[in-house]
Amino acid sequence: QVQLQESGPGLVKPSQTLSLTCTVSGGSISSDNSCWTWVRQPAGKGLEWIGHIYASGSTNYKSSLKSRVTISLDSSKNQFSLTLSSVTAADTAMYYCAREYYEILTGTYGGNWIDSWGQGTLVTVSS
Amino acid sequence: DIQMTQSPSSLSASVGDRVTIVCRASQSINRFLNWYQWNPGKAPKLLIYSASGLQRGVPSRFSGSGSGTDFTLTINSLQPEDFAVYFCQQSFTAPYTFGQGTKVAIK
Repeated sequence: QVQLQESGPGLVKPSQTLSLTCTVSGGSISSDNSCWTWVRQPAGKGLEWIGHIYASGSTNYKSSLKSRVTISLDSSKNQFSLTLSSVTAADTAMYYCAREYYEILTGTYGGNWIDSWGQGTLVTVSS
Repeated sequence: DIQMTQSPSSLSASVGDRVTIVCRASQSINRFLNWYQWNPGKAPKLLIYSASGLQRGVPSRFSGSGSGTDFTLTINSLQPEDFAVYFCQQSFTAPYTFGQGTKVAIK
């Protein structure tokens, strides 16, 4: 099973850009049936799927964040990254990076699920 | 985006009880429904994938069922380590939305 570790600033000023990196070990970021995901959780609240990126570079994002979020891959470093622009206090949360496994059964989509998670990193938006 | 609604939001139960959590999707999601367990200070843990698939290493007292819009997570014979928050998530279509969570507390 792969291991994931988030890194990045724990404090970001309002209106600035949040940038986090996830380093993957124990497996290749280009491995089959894997895509790479960011999930966040504000204190006392539920999980929020931010988006993911496939090895091909194809991405999907949460609709309400689409204008501010970018997820990218760096295969040479076995890392993927999250940038979130124009942050506000509402973006304060624990941010998790994760591996999302997707299943293809005889050419048919069989679902995606998150089977490996980083430990999470707390990002606070405050001046 | 597909909306996922869990019920109840919280429940109290005793060790040994059988617990059922319901997750309802705002549209049909076939069987593309996952369940996670979360404890404060830890990363979420996958329990069930594709409605009823038991993730490797997860105790068999956890089971999932359902298809279309209505799904259930059942915990048979609740153990002390099962007191946690449970989330459902759909993967029928991106963005893959989560339910709001169900907290299982000790009675």
